[in-house]
Amino acid sequence: EPEVTQTPSHQVTQMGQEVILRCVPISNHLYFYWYRQILGQKVEFLVSFYNNEISEKSEIFDDQFSVERPDGSNFTLKIRSTKLEDSAMYFCASSDGGLGEKLFFGSGTQLSVL
Amino acid sequence: AQRVTQPEKLLSVFKGAPVELKCNYSYSGSPELFWYVQYSRQRLQLLLRHISRESIKGFTADLNKGETSFHLKKPFAQEEDSAMYYCALKRNQGGKLIFGQGTELSVKP
Repeated sequence: EPEVTQTPSHQVTQMGQEVILRCVPISNHLYFYWYRQILGQKVEFLVSFYNNEISEKSEIFDDQFSVERPDGSNFTLKIRSTKLEDSAMYFCASSDGGLGEKLFFGSGTQLSVL
Repeated sequence: AQRVTQPEKLLSVFKGAPVELKCNYSYSGSPELFWYVQYSRQRLQLLLRHISRESIKGFTADLNKGETSFHLKKPFAQEEDSAMYYCALKRNQGGKLIFGQGTELSVKP
């Protein structure tokens, strides 16, 4: 079965630094998502992306966050100036749309902000 | 606002016992409901969706609109069923998934 690939698997950064989390969605998928999970909490939606633009974003996804699909295969999440509370597991997902569509998740990037 | 509630954080049963993981939702429209599972050290993956009315690995879930529930059931639990189970709701095509808190299922031998 095809897989969503995320790199790196772990990222440690200093507070205030910029980080870029990378994802390669499944090639024929049209919808792309970022979710995050703070330790011990639920999986939270951050942003969805379709047709080269953000289709929906949560309150968490403030001006410090941005997404990009720079080359038609990668899908990146950038955090401009990381805060301690950004420490979480970040999941990328993609789907082909359609009724009852199945989201395919990546294995996640564990971000630790020190 | 849309919300998914999984009241049990941890459910522990013995092998061969029946299992029911509870999920309730709040949404005024017609949602799409899903169960996702995360086995140890593996990625989140779809277990089943209400629209397919399928049985996967012996699990079933029926959407009860009157009770706004989508409980996950299996008549005889297996040790390999031990995992985190997430109930999720989606409003529309390409829309975001709203997850519940998750229930950790532990099946003891």
